[in-house]
Amino acid sequence: QVQLKESGPGLVQPSQTLSLTCTVSGFSLTSYSVHWVRQHSGKSLEWMGRMWSDGDTSYNSAFTSRLSISRDTSKSQVFLKMNSLQTEDTGTYYCARNHWIAAGVMDAWGQGASVTVSS
Amino acid sequence: DTVLTQSPALAVSPGERVTISCRASESVSTLMHWYQQKPGQQPTLLIYLASNLESGVPARFSGSGSGTDFTLTIDPVEADDTATYYCQQSWNDPRTFGGGTKLELK
Repeated sequence: QVQLKESGPGLVQPSQTLSLTCTVSGFSLTSYSVHWVRQHSGKSLEWMGRMWSDGDTSYNSAFTSRLSISRDTSKSQVFLKMNSLQTEDTGTYYCARNHWIAAGVMDAWGQGASVTVSS
Repeated sequence: DTVLTQSPALAVSPGERVTISCRASESVSTLMHWYQQKPGQQPTLLIYLASNLESGVPARFSGSGSGTDFTLTIDPVEADDTATYYCQQSWNDPRTFGGGTKLELK
């Protein structure tokens, strides 16, 4: 059974760094890419970046300067770190697995990690 | 970035047929996908590559289109289909999503 689960602090202070972990099960990170997607409350979805199955990464240029995605395959975990957080970074952060056939399609999602940026 | 435009909301009665549209600012070939998001839940994949039904998704859902104009059809609509529907393109980076269409049942 494919599962993804995000974890991390629910509250981050402005200008600080957000660190989130996506723990996966039911598939291997060396076979599937994993995406990070953000959603502001009541708003649409915003693709942030991906960890490719070969360990390479791609980022949305809107985040490039402050976003980093990494992984630990031995622990089946993908990490998101984003610095210089502002209040507009408040939202729900999802990790999602890439579809087994179609690149860039997300066929399984975590339940999301709610993050509030506030002092 | 490729902008995807969707109508914000629709209201239909159970048993009816509904079409939800998505227009891309440039051609994305058939690299368009559809997701359903119910309140308080994560998105789930319905349709990939414009017209392919994801495993486990009811056959009431179908997708069509190519280039810049795409449609998600639900026929017949059921009460459980109350949700927001998003299109997403994978033609280029960054992957982008439409603003979502909120489907309400009368």
